[in-house]
Amino acid sequence: DVKVTQSSRYLVKRTGEKVFLECVQDMDHENMFWYRQDPGLGLRLIYFSYDVKMKEKGDIPEGYSVSREKKERFSLILESASTNQTSMYLCASSLRGANEKLFFGSGTQLSVL
Amino acid sequence: GNSVTQMEGPVTLSEEAFLTINCTYTATGYPSLFWYVQYPGEGLQLLLKATKADDKGSNKGFEATYRKETTSFHLEKGSVQVSDSAVYFCALRRNNNDMRFGAGTRLTVKP
Repeated sequence: DVKVTQSSRYLVKRTGEKVFLECVQDMDHENMFWYRQDPGLGLRLIYFSYDVKMKEKGDIPEGYSVSREKKERFSLILESASTNQTSMYLCASSLRGANEKLFFGSGTQLSVL
Repeated sequence: GNSVTQMEGPVTLSEEAFLTINCTYTATGYPSLFWYVQYPGEGLQLLLKATKADDKGSNKGFEATYRKETTSFHLEKGSVQVSDSAVYFCALRRNNNDMRFGAGTRLTVKP
C-alpha cells in the first residue's frame, strides 16, 4: 500500500522562525499536495505539484513556499512563521487523473508561539 | 469555481441508528466525487467514490449516489456502530486538479 510519510507529528516553533515540513511518498505518484486543516474550515489547499519542479498555488499560498526537487519529496516552507499558521498540515499524493484518490500522511500539528 | 458544501455537525446518534450526511457540490463539467473519513488521531482515508452520474459508491456499509440533477452526493448508512465515530469529508476532483473538500462533519455514535 502507498505510504505518505510526514517528518514530524508535532512541531513547536517561535514566531519569525523558518520552518520546513517534509513529506515523502513511496509509490511514484506524480501529484503531491499540501493542505492545512482547521476546525470548521475543512481542508484548504496551500500548494499542489503535478511534476518535479512544478507547482501551482492553491487557495491560501500566502506565507508559504514549496520545493519539489525529487519526485518522491515535497517540502512546505514557512519563510517566517506567524501565530496564524498554527494548524494541522496534511500532505497527500496521487496518480494523475480526476478519478484518482489522494493518499494522506498522518499530519503535522504545528504550533507557532 | 469548484466547491463542496456539507452538512454541519456535530452529529450524535445512538448505535444502530440511520445516518445521513448531506453533501452538495458546485462544479463545471463532471467531477468525480469522494467521501473521506478521518478516525481520531489518524490521517484521512478514502471511504468511497463515484466517478459519473448515477454511480453508487459503497464501502463498510456506507453508500452514496452521484446525483447530477441535484448536484448531491449524500452519505448514508443503515445502522451505525460506535466504531463509525469519526470526521467525514465530502470532496470533488476535476481533471488532474486538486481535490476540493467540504468542512467536515463530526459523527459521534453512542452505545
